[in-house]
Amino acid sequence: AQSVTQLGSHVSVSEGALVLLRCNYSSSVPPYLFWYVQYPNQGLQLLLKYTSAATLVKGINGFEAEFKKSETSFHLTKPSAHMSDAAEYFCAVSDGWNAGNMLTFGGGTRLMVKP
Amino acid sequence: GAGVSQSPSNKVTEKGKDVELRCDPISGHTALYWYRQSLGQGLEFLIYFQGNSAPDKSGLPSDRFSAERTGGSVSTLTIQRTQQEDSAVYLCASSPGRTFSYEQYFGPGTRLTVT
Repeated sequence: AQSVTQLGSHVSVSEGALVLLRCNYSSSVPPYLFWYVQYPNQGLQLLLKYTSAATLVKGINGFEAEFKKSETSFHLTKPSAHMSDAAEYFCAVSDGWNAGNMLTFGGGTRLMVKP
Repeated sequence: GAGVSQSPSNKVTEKGKDVELRCDPISGHTALYWYRQSLGQGLEFLIYFQGNSAPDKSGLPSDRFSAERTGGSVSTLTIQRTQQEDSAVYLCASSPGRTFSYEQYFGPGTRLTVT
């Protein structure tokens, strides 16, 4: 069974500071990994995905994530936080084989950006 | 183009009543997914359709939950004899297919409140 752990249910940064949201996964097969963002009262929007190509993945809004197999991690970063980045972020894994690629989500991290 | 749409956006129902939640996927997407987002359980997979068939119903929490998809397009999630623990946001997602793409596009969700 797959699982995803997001360390820190709440993260607070100052505007302009580095954003680091942590994600560790457990999967018995090479994983496909995703980061989604959810703004209040909205659905999930895909930020970026890792599907076994480059280990450093660039996404929308200046976010990127690095797949580290040895650490089973897929942390999300952004060099400089903006007020509009305040939202909830979800890391998810799909093994590409089970249940037509259903996603298993982490518990989410709420990012707060202070002016 | 148009994204995934869901209706209603909000639904308040009395305990014991039946409810139907609707999902309109992106045109041409053959795979369709239902997830539930609740405070206690986070984001959890419910059911997946490839075309009109649902190969895996194991995520449905009880036999009060059922879903169907017609014409390879619209899907309806039905909850019979609703209970307070059914209160959650129900999210629908669609994907071009289970093998050609692992990216799921989410709708805005239906917030269900059972009183």
